[in-house]
Amino acid sequence: AQSVSQHNHHVILSEAASLELGCNYSYGGTVNLFWYVQYPGQHLQLLLKYFSGDPLVKGIKGFEAEFIKSKFSFNLRKPSVQWSDTAEYFCAVNERAAGNKLTFGGGTRVLVKP
Amino acid sequence: DVKVTQSSRYLVKRTGEKVFLECVQDMDHENMFWYRQDPGLGLRLIYFSYDVKMKEKGDIPEGYSVSREKKERFSLILESASTNQTSMYLCAGTGVDTEAFFGQGTRLTVV
Repeated sequence: AQSVSQHNHHVILSEAASLELGCNYSYGGTVNLFWYVQYPGQHLQLLLKYFSGDPLVKGIKGFEAEFIKSKFSFNLRKPSVQWSDTAEYFCAVNERAAGNKLTFGGGTRVLVKP
Repeated sequence: DVKVTQSSRYLVKRTGEKVFLECVQDMDHENMFWYRQDPGLGLRLIYFSYDVKMKEKGDIPEGYSVSREKKERFSLILESASTNQTSMYLCAGTGVDTEAFFGQGTRLTVV
């Protein structure tokens, strides 16, 4: 069965530091890939998505992610974080050949210290 | 604006009750999903549906069932609620090559 792994459960960093969150999935077929963010007390928001084409995807709020097919990875990056990036981040994978099953990783809580 | 609407924001039910959580989408999307979200566990897929009357088990279907009689409506049913089903329940819808659109969530407490 499809699984999505996020390597870090908690990340603490200071403002202006760079952020990289790992995401790996197990499915070998065609996938769509997503990163969502959930700010404290709020609903999930889409940060970025990959369907096809350029494997380097740019999203909102300065985030980007790189799809590396050979590594089954879709890591999220931001060069310089702000206090307002404190949130929980979720990677999600859509298996297009499995009824578009959408599976989420366990999430990474990011705390940015001012 | 696309919209996924869950019928209740907060619910309190007693152990053993049959509980219905309703979700309606106005996007004409084929795919609908029910997740539960628990601290430290992310979003876990309970059931999903890729067409009317079609349903597939997700990763944690035990104790739950679903119904999709119309394209726009996807219901989650807790056959006999238990305290370990206390959680935040999220409904989502997607189309072909779209991201998921989420409802506002239903926080269910089983006492």
